[in-house]
Amino acid sequence: KQEVTQIPAALSVPEGENLVLNCSFTDSAIYNLQWFRQDPGKGLTSLLLIQSSQREQTSGRLNASLDKSSGRSTLYIAASQPGDSATYLCAFYSGTYKYIFGTGTRLKVLA
Amino acid sequence: DAGVIQSPRHEVTEMGQEVTLRCKPISGHDYLFWYRQTMMRGLELLIYFNNNVPIDDSGMPEDRFSAKMPNASFSTLKIQPSEPRDSAVYFCASSFGEGFNQPQHFGDGTRLSIL
Repeated sequence: KQEVTQIPAALSVPEGENLVLNCSFTDSAIYNLQWFRQDPGKGLTSLLLIQSSQREQTSGRLNASLDKSSGRSTLYIAASQPGDSATYLCAFYSGTYKYIFGTGTRLKVLA
Repeated sequence: DAGVIQSPRHEVTEMGQEVTLRCKPISGHDYLFWYRQTMMRGLELLIYFNNNVPIDDSGMPEDRFSAKMPNASFSTLKIQPSEPRDSAVYFCASSFGEGFNQPQHFGDGTRLSIL
């Protein structure tokens, strides 16, 4: 059964730090992986989507990478800001299984 | 441009009652998804539609759950009869083009409490 794990579960950092969030999956037959953020009481906002043929995607201060061989994706946030505080979720799609969400990382950036 | 609109935002009802959740996708989007989020199980896909047709409902937990999409601008998720374990936040999302291969746009969810 496909499992998608995110480490750490929670993270608290001072403003300005660069940080890395991790997403691990057990099945290498990946079609794409998507990163979302979720603010309290809100739905998910799509941040980056990486196709299986891609190694990374960038949007502003965000960079997501994908390593199929190791079953891992990382989300890099540069120069973190208090507005980045949210829960970050990755979602794995194999084209065969159901769309599987990770367990989430709750991020708090301190001013 | 309006995003995905869900109603109601909050619903509290007693066990055994029928519950209907509503969703209006973004205009022009041809995929619509229903999700459920709980602390125990995280975010789970329940069912999704393409061009108003249900494609995969294997995530629907029981026959008590049903979903319809009568037209491109409206979908409902119905629970009848409701049970306390159905308490969760239910999200609707929509996308354009290739379903899971395109960014999904989420509504703000319906927080459902079954007493």
